[in-house]
Amino acid sequence: KQEVTQIPAALSVPEGENLVLNCSFTDSAIYNLQWFRQDPGKGLTSLLLIQSSQREQTSGRLNASLDKSSGRSTLYIAASQPGDSATYLCAVVKRANAGGTSYGKLTFGQGTILTVHP
Amino acid sequence: NAGVTQTPKFQVLKTGQSMTLQCAQDMNHEYMSWYRQDPGMGLRLIHYSVGAGITDQGEVPNGYNVSRSTTEDFPLRLLSAAPSQTSVYFCASSWSASNRAQHFGDGTRLSIL
Repeated sequence: KQEVTQIPAALSVPEGENLVLNCSFTDSAIYNLQWFRQDPGKGLTSLLLIQSSQREQTSGRLNASLDKSSGRSTLYIAASQPGDSATYLCAVVKRANAGGTSYGKLTFGQGTILTVHP
Repeated sequence: NAGVTQTPKFQVLKTGQSMTLQCAQDMNHEYMSWYRQDPGMGLRLIHYSVGAGITDQGEVPNGYNVSRSTTEDFPLRLLSAAPSQTSVYFCASSWSASNRAQHFGDGTRLSIL
């Protein structure tokens, strides 16, 4: 069974710091890994998608890396801002078995609650 | 620029009542899915669809029905609401389940009394 773990559970940093969020998964047979942001009382916003054949993806101040063999991904946020405060979730889509488990199912970590204070 | 639209945003039901949560997307995505989000349990897949006319069960399907008569719409029906179904429900869509980003709606917050 695929399990996804995110460390740390919560992080509080001053504005301007560079920071790293960690995500690990137990089964390396994945299609892709996706990072999301969730603001309180809101839905999930897709930040970055990394295919299993890729090593990293970048969007603005965000950079996500993937080491599939070791079951790890990191989300790097450069020059953090108060507007970055949110819960960050990583999720993987496991490759379907021959028996046909839930296709396209995202398995989520519990998230990292990020607070960036001015 | 609507993306994935869910209605209603909030709903309170009594035990035993039925209702339908609506989900619509305007991106012509083939793959759509429903998740519920609960404290300590994270997000769990309820049902999914790989195209119009095709649906299948996720990991927590009991008490819920779905149908996919059009590409755009994927409603979730609660047959007889139970307090255990109190949750936040999210609909998601994607071009493909395996190699494209999945996009979520803003959710429906449902309370069952």
